[in-house]
Parts: sequence; C-alpha cells; structure tokens
Amino acid sequence: DGGITQSPKYLFRKEGQNVTLSCEQNLNHDAMYWYRQDPGQGLRLIYYSQIVNDFQKGDIAEGYSVSREKKESFPLTVTSAQKNPTAFYLCASSIGFRGGSGANVLTFGAGSRLTVL
Amino acid sequence: EDKVVQSPLSLVVHEGDTVTLNCSYEVTNFRSLLWYKQEKKAPTFLFMLTSSGIEKKSGRLSSILDKKELFSILNITATQTGDSAVYLCAVKIRIKAAGNKLTFGGGTRVLVKP
Repeated sequence: DGGITQSPKYLFRKEGQNVTLSCEQNLNHDAMYWYRQDPGQGLRLIYYSQIVNDFQKGDIAEGYSVSREKKESFPLTVTSAQKNPTAFYLCASSIGFRGGSGANVLTFGAGSRLTVL
Repeated sequence: EDKVVQSPLSLVVHEGDTVTLNCSYEVTNFRSLLWYKQEKKAPTFLFMLTSSGIEKKSGRLSSILDKKELFSILNITATQTGDSAVYLCAVKIRIKAAGNKLTFGGGTRVLVKP
C-alpha cells in the first residue's frame, strides 16, 4: 500500500540537542512538506520541496533544516536554535506542485511528537 | 499577510444534530480551498473547492465556497460520534516562481456526544 511513513512517532530530546525526523513516501509524489502543529492550533508550514535537490522555506523555517536528496525522502532536522521545539510534526506529499497540475491534495503521514525535556 | 480563520474554535453537539463550520480567508493569489478532517494524527482530505456557489457533497458532509465574501462553510448533518474530530480549512495560494502552498486555519474541534 502506498503512503507516507514518519519516524519516530514519539521523541524526547534534551535542550541543546539536534534531532532528525524521518519522512518517507512511496507514492511517487514530487512535492513534500513539513508542518508543525501546536495544541489547539492549525498547521504551520516549515519547509517544502517541489523536486529533488530543491526546497524552500515556509512560514516558520527558523531553527529547522531539511534535505531532499531522494524523491522518496524529506528528513527534517530540528536544531538547537529552535527556541520552542516541543510540538507535533506532520509530513505530507502531493502529486504536483507547479501551477495547476493534479489536485494538489496533500497526503499526510501519522506524525511525530517531539518533546523537549 | 495571508490569513485563514476558522470559527467556532470548538463545539459540542449531540448525535443527530447539524453542525456548520466556517472558514474565512484573506489571501493574495487564491487558487482553491480545502477541508481536512483530523481525528487523531494524520489529517484526511474531505473536499477541494475552486468555484463559487457549487456545493460539494459526500454523504452527510457538504461544503460550499463564496469567493466574493471570501469564506467557505462545511456542514455535517445527522452527526454521529465518529464525526468527532478537528476540522481543518486550508487555502491554496499561488506563489510566483515557487508554485503553490497551503495555508491552514486554526481548526474547529467538534465533539459529538451520544
């Protein structure tokens, strides 16, 4: 079955440590995204990637980094520079990102919950 | 700055009731509006709306877009406990040289009591 796999589901981190969240998709989607969700709030875009070896900052990119070396994979690193990293992180993908192609409906992974101790 | 605002923040209803969720937006380069349902973790897609005044329906759920007044409504009739979830509204915005992006509202939490 096609889908998006995020790991780990739960992660605890000490202050000052970098952590990397994994996101893998086997949907053959070109575009991938990382969102952050805080309690009682909607999703905020961290980074997105339209194609391999290319990515852009979203609305809240500070303190995060990404890479897109393979079509299937879009890992997110939460660095020690992120002041308030405790949150629920959602990875998503879509068929096409450039204007008008496909439905641009996002398929989401099950999320990773990061807690900083 | 692009804004998507959902109301109410939360509501509690009883099975069989009808609920109406609102999503208003102020964005540049609007492309479409999408509704998602988030029960526990991964949001799942409900509707995508591009044209004004055309209702989309799926079972007991329906949605409509008003591009003049810049809002959308999601209706759920004859609610069931399985409808309990956070409902997210997102607006797809065209970005020059970078394609499109989705901006989400804060969500409406719906609790349906038996």
